[in-house]
Amino acid sequence: AQRVTQPEKLLSVFKGAPVELKCNYSYSGSPELFWYVQYSRQRLQLLLRHISRESIKGFTADLNKGETSFHLKKPFAQEEDSAMYYCALEDRNSGYALNFGKGTSLLVTP
Amino acid sequence: DAGVTQSPTHLIKTRGQHVTLRCSPISGHKSVSWYQQVLGQGPQFIFQYYEKEERGRGNFPDRFSARQFPNYSSELNVNALLLGDSALYLCASSYLGTGGSEAFFGQGTRLTVV
Repeated sequence: AQRVTQPEKLLSVFKGAPVELKCNYSYSGSPELFWYVQYSRQRLQLLLRHISRESIKGFTADLNKGETSFHLKKPFAQEEDSAMYYCALEDRNSGYALNFGKGTSLLVTP
Repeated sequence: DAGVTQSPTHLIKTRGQHVTLRCSPISGHKSVSWYQQVLGQGPQFIFQYYEKEERGRGNFPDRFSARQFPNYSSELNVNALLLGDSALYLCASSYLGTGGSEAFFGQGTRLTVV
């Protein structure tokens, strides 16, 4: 079964510290993975997707098929990074549904 | 463009009632998906429509139904409401509905069943 696991419900770091939000997945086939972010009182929005291999707002995520992981990383956290982060897997066996993890709340303190 | 718009923003219903939630996609987007998000959980997929055809259905009972209109707007209907249906219902639109096109989310409809 397709599943996305985000083991940390809450992650608190100091400004300027490195950040890693963990995401593990299970999927039979070649996965399409995404990170979505929801800032306070804003809509859920796409942060980045693995197929584009881009860095957005200093965040990167590398797909590791051997470890079935897609961790989100940023070398120096900023206060404006505080938000809810969701890892999502595109389930092509169910249309093109997004299968979301439970989310990790990132809090960056000064 | 105002982005994906959902109505109403908040709704209170009684157990056993029926509810209709509405979604207007971004202009030019042909796919609409519906998600349910309960407190403390990630969004859970309910339906996806593309070009007015159902493309995918999540693990939800038959009390949940949806449709997409010729103008690509969509409705989500829930019959015989249960307390457990209380959640934030999110609509997302995209041009193609695949990973090749980004999904844009609405602000959601907060449904409370009492």
